[in-house]
Amino acid sequence: AQKITQTQPGMFVQEKEAVTLDCTYDTSDPSYGLFWYKQPSSGEMIFLIYQGSYDQQNATEGRYSLNFQKARKSANLVISASQLGDSAMYFCAAPRFQGAQKLVFGQGTRLTINP
Amino acid sequence: DTEVTQTPKHLVMGMTNKKSLKCEQHMGHRAMYWYKQKAKKPPELMFVYSYEKLSINESVPSRFSPECPNSSLLNLHLHALQPEDSALYLCASSQVRGLIGEQYFGPGTRLTVT
Repeated sequence: AQKITQTQPGMFVQEKEAVTLDCTYDTSDPSYGLFWYKQPSSGEMIFLIYQGSYDQQNATEGRYSLNFQKARKSANLVISASQLGDSAMYFCAAPRFQGAQKLVFGQGTRLTINP
Repeated sequence: DTEVTQTPKHLVMGMTNKKSLKCEQHMGHRAMYWYKQKAKKPPELMFVYSYEKLSINESVPSRFSPECPNSSLLNLHLHALQPEDSALYLCASSQVRGLIGEQYFGPGTRLTVT
């Protein structure tokens, strides 16, 4: 079964700087996917980006990109040119096993962007 | 339309009350989820419906009763709750196959049990 670890409880970054949020995973499945979600203080979880284990390239979505290092079992989220609106909780997640509907979440990282 | 709506936004109820949380989506998703989230913690899965049938119950106490009347609606009936049930309740939807982990969440209902 999948296990997700986020080791940064909180991060403080100056506006316009890039920020990297760490996520490591532990699975024995040959095929898996990793997801990042953003949760602002309003409460809604927002899907940001997905990386498949067989994808040849790192995923990108606008200012979000994944630094996917399969050998190290890490899928770090990179936010370029951070904005005040990026202040939120960020969760890394993966299906409990391949094809499972249950997501396993990391403990999350609280990101604060300072003006 | 990628919106999942939830009502009410806030709910305060006594331990003897009966109330219901409602969730609606119009993305054609055939999987719908209820999560419970305590402050500063990740969401915890409670129930999953696939094609309007309950497919996962994460050993949730019977004082929480889910219902999926049709492919767009999901309810969570609450009865005789405890103060420790106070939390943010999130509804989500997704495809049943393919990229299941790409879930779309509603804004949640903040529940307080007094």
